[in-house]
Amino acid sequence: EIVLTQSPGTLSLSPGERATLSCRASQSVSGSYLAWYQQKPGQAPRLLIYGASNTATGIPDRFSGSGSGTDFTLTIRRLEPEDFAVYYCQQYGNSPLTFGGGTKVEIK
Amino acid sequence: EVQLVESGGGLVQPGGSLRLSCAASGFIFSSYAMSWVRQAPGKGLEWVSTISGSGGGTYYADSVKGRFTTSRDNSKHALYLQMNSLRAEDTAAYYCATVSTSGYLFDQWGQGTLVTVSS
Repeated sequence: EIVLTQSPGTLSLSPGERATLSCRASQSVSGSYLAWYQQKPGQAPRLLIYGASNTATGIPDRFSGSGSGTDFTLTIRRLEPEDFAVYYCQQYGNSPLTFGGGTKVEIK
Repeated sequence: EVQLVESGGGLVQPGGSLRLSCAASGFIFSSYAMSWVRQAPGKGLEWVSTISGSGGGTYYADSVKGRFTTSRDNSKHALYLQMNSLRAEDTAAYYCATVSTSGYLFDQWGQGTLVTVSS
């Protein structure tokens, strides 16, 4: 099973700042099959990024993903008030499907 | 517009059973694999199960294998999760989600239904 470790656990930033979230895999994620989700309190997760760097439909272009192998990054170029949430990575290149533990982006 | 609406959650005693349903609309249901993903209170996401579009293939996390059964009725646009031998650690919000055509990721989600296993 691929274990995904997200860091930091909590990121305290101000609106307008850049957010950089990390997701590290215990072994190489085949095909860069890595997705990112955003979850706000009381809501279901929402798909942001797939294939490590492809933005999902309707997602603002301030969100971008990068990485390959074992190291992946989600970048939010300029934080908007609605971006403060928890973010999860998920690998889908190997069975079983696994998620990281999440990074909370909170208002500083 | 894709809509996924889960139902059937509630309070159940350890060792008991529960059947969750997910009503789907707004897309060609039979063309998509579907999954269940759960989230324990205050915790992260955990993949539970996936079923192929035809229903002929099912896949489970080790934590639920042998206890949970996923099925679907394409004529009713419905997805089901039969949960038996429930344990306290099965307490979670259960989400149904569509499996993307780009791989085993989840591109549309329901709002979730809460299952609480407690005596």
